[in-house]
Amino acid sequence: EIVLTQSPATLSLSPGERATLSCRASQSVNNYLAWYQQKPGQAPRLLIYDASNRATGIPARFSGSGSGTDFSLTISSLEPEDFAVYYCQQRTNWPLTFGGGTKVEIK
Amino acid sequence: EVQLVQSGAEVKKPGESLKISCKGSGYSFTSYWIAWVRQMPGKGLEWMGMINPGNSDTRYNPSFQGQVTMSADKSISTAYLQWSSLKAPDSAMYYCARRDYFDYWGQGTLVTVSS
Repeated sequence: EIVLTQSPATLSLSPGERATLSCRASQSVNNYLAWYQQKPGQAPRLLIYDASNRATGIPARFSGSGSGTDFSLTISSLEPEDFAVYYCQQRTNWPLTFGGGTKVEIK
Repeated sequence: EVQLVQSGAEVKKPGESLKISCKGSGYSFTSYWIAWVRQMPGKGLEWMGMINPGNSDTRYNPSFQGQVTMSADKSISTAYLQWSSLKAPDSAMYYCARRDYFDYWGQGTLVTVSS
């Protein structure tokens, strides 16, 4: 099973600041890495797939990068609606796995 | 518009059976796998497994193998997740989602198991 480790667990930032979230895989995931946003009481929403492709309707302030085992999600300038929990997920091997999540909170 | 609409919240007793559903619309239901994802209260996301609605081929997470059964009825574009004997730790939110990077999600079905 591929283990995904997200860091930090919590990120405290102000609106307008840049957020950088990390996801590290226990083995290569061949760029088959996705990022999701989840707000309280809502289903997760796909932001990025295959490491760097923005999903339909996702604002350009969200970007993904990385390859092999180390990946990042960057939010260039935080909007109030971006404060949420973010998960990474790999689809290279079964079982598909998620990281433990990073909570982006208002400082 | 692609939509996955799940059945409503359930309250069950330990030992009871349950089948929840996920109905797809706005796309060719048999063209994409449907996954099930568990989220226990206050916790992260866990992939339970997935089913190909076209031929009912299934892939289970070993952690859930034997605990749940996934099925699909392509004639009504609906996937199912069922338990034969619920336990209290099965209390969680269950989501269905499309394909292996989850581009569309259902709204979730809250399952509460309590005596």
